[in-house]
Amino acid sequence: AQSVAQPEDQVNVAEGNPLTVKCTYSVSGNPYLFWYVQYPNRGLQFLLKYITGDNLVKGSYGFEAEFNKSQTSFHLKKPSALVSDSALYFCAVRVDSNYQLIWGAGTKLIIKP
Amino acid sequence: DAGVTQSPTHLIKTRGQQVTLRCSPKSGHDTVSWYQQALGQGPQFIFQYYEEEERQRGNFPDRFSGHQFPNYSSELNVNALLLGDSALYLCASSFQGRETQYFGPGTRLLVL
Repeated sequence: AQSVAQPEDQVNVAEGNPLTVKCTYSVSGNPYLFWYVQYPNRGLQFLLKYITGDNLVKGSYGFEAEFNKSQTSFHLKKPSALVSDSALYFCAVRVDSNYQLIWGAGTKLIIKP
Repeated sequence: DAGVTQSPTHLIKTRGQQVTLRCSPKSGHDTVSWYQQALGQGPQFIFQYYEEEERQRGNFPDRFSGHQFPNYSSELNVNALLLGDSALYLCASSFQGRETQYFGPGTRLLVL
C-alpha cells in the first residue's frame, strides 16, 4: 500500500532560524512528490513539487525541498523562518500510474518571534 | 484569473439528508478531484472526474457520487448523511489530472 509519513505532529522554530519539516513515503513506482500549506479555515495552497531532475526543488515563499531516493524522503526546508510561515504543512505523493494524491497527516509549524 | 471556487462555504444538515457541493475549476483546467478532510487529518481522495466521467475512485461508499459538466465544473453528492460525514470537502483542479492540483477554499459540512 502507498503511504506518506510526517513523523512530527508539530515543529517549533524561532524566527530567523532554519526550519525542516520531514516527510517520508512508500510507493510502488516513480513518485511525484508535493508540499502544500494550509492556513486556518482555508484550502490547501501549493508550495512545490518534485517530478524528475534536480533533487533540490525550489518553491514559493523561499521554501525548498530535497528528494532523497535512497531514504525515500522529501523534507521541506527554509533557511530563515518567518512568523507568517506558521501554518499546517502537508506532504503528498502520486505515482505515474495513479491519479490520486496520497497525503500525510500534516505537521503544524509554529514560528516564535 | 479566477482560481478554484467552491460553494457553499458552510452547510449544516441532519442525518439521513442529502447534500450537493459545487466546484468550478481554475481557468484552463479540465480535471476535478474531490477530497474529504476530517478535523486534524490529511485529505482523503474521494474521486476524480475527467471528460465528464469518473476516472478514479478512492475508498468511499456509493453514497458519494459526482458529476462533471461540459464546462468542467463538478458536483459532489452525498446521500443518507452520517455524522461521520462531517468534514471539510475540498475540490482540486488540474490539467488532465497529471499536473499539479490546485485547491479551492473548501466546503465545511456539519451533520447533526
